[in-house]
Amino acid sequence: GAVVSQHPSRVICKSGTSVKIECRSLDFQATTMFWYRQFPKKSLMLMATSNEGSKATYEQGVEKDKFLINHASLTLSTLTVTSAHPEDSSFYICSARDRKTDRGYSPLHFGNGTRLTVT
Amino acid sequence: TQLLEQSPQFLSIQEGENLTVYCNSSSVFSSLQWYRQEPGEGPVLLVTVVTGGEVKKLKRLTFQFGDARKDSSLHITAAQPGDTGLYLCAGFDNYGQNFVFGPGTRLSVLP
Repeated sequence: GAVVSQHPSRVICKSGTSVKIECRSLDFQATTMFWYRQFPKKSLMLMATSNEGSKATYEQGVEKDKFLINHASLTLSTLTVTSAHPEDSSFYICSARDRKTDRGYSPLHFGNGTRLTVT
Repeated sequence: TQLLEQSPQFLSIQEGENLTVYCNSSSVFSSLQWYRQEPGEGPVLLVTVVTGGEVKKLKRLTFQFGDARKDSSLHITAAQPGDTGLYLCAGFDNYGQNFVFGPGTRLSVLP
């Protein structure tokens, strides 16, 4: 089956530093990758949608200068949390859409998430 | 952005009981997916429903897509503690661009 690898699974950083999270599709090419944020006991909140080779589309209320997304290839998207603050602590999840099954009903494949803690 | 609603938000039942969770929208969806998520992990796809009125079964889980493709249900028969988790419905809107999640149903099955 389609596998999405997200790294790191956990990261602790100091306030003011930047953290990069990688999302890789291991056995398929992803035309589109999605980044979500999840607060405790809550559902997934879409942050942005990235398409390979183009700028990411951010959801309303998500600061694009704070959450930098780069979709450099069909198998890799990165999310960089810049100048992190404690309120950025959260569970971040990426997902990818398989280029070969890219139809209106094709499901997404999810990474296992990254637990970010900013101290 | 189309909204998906889920009910109930929380459900705690005894092992062996049956349950149904619902996913509703005022908009039509080209498809809906059901995911289950456990703490600290990403969502795992359970099923995709595409055709209005479609019924799919996955062992003790039965999924149904409404005729008008605006709602879906998940029925679990003889629930087990291993069914405990957050159940999320999600789907692409009719343009196939925005993938939205419902708020989830947190299920706890007690032994």
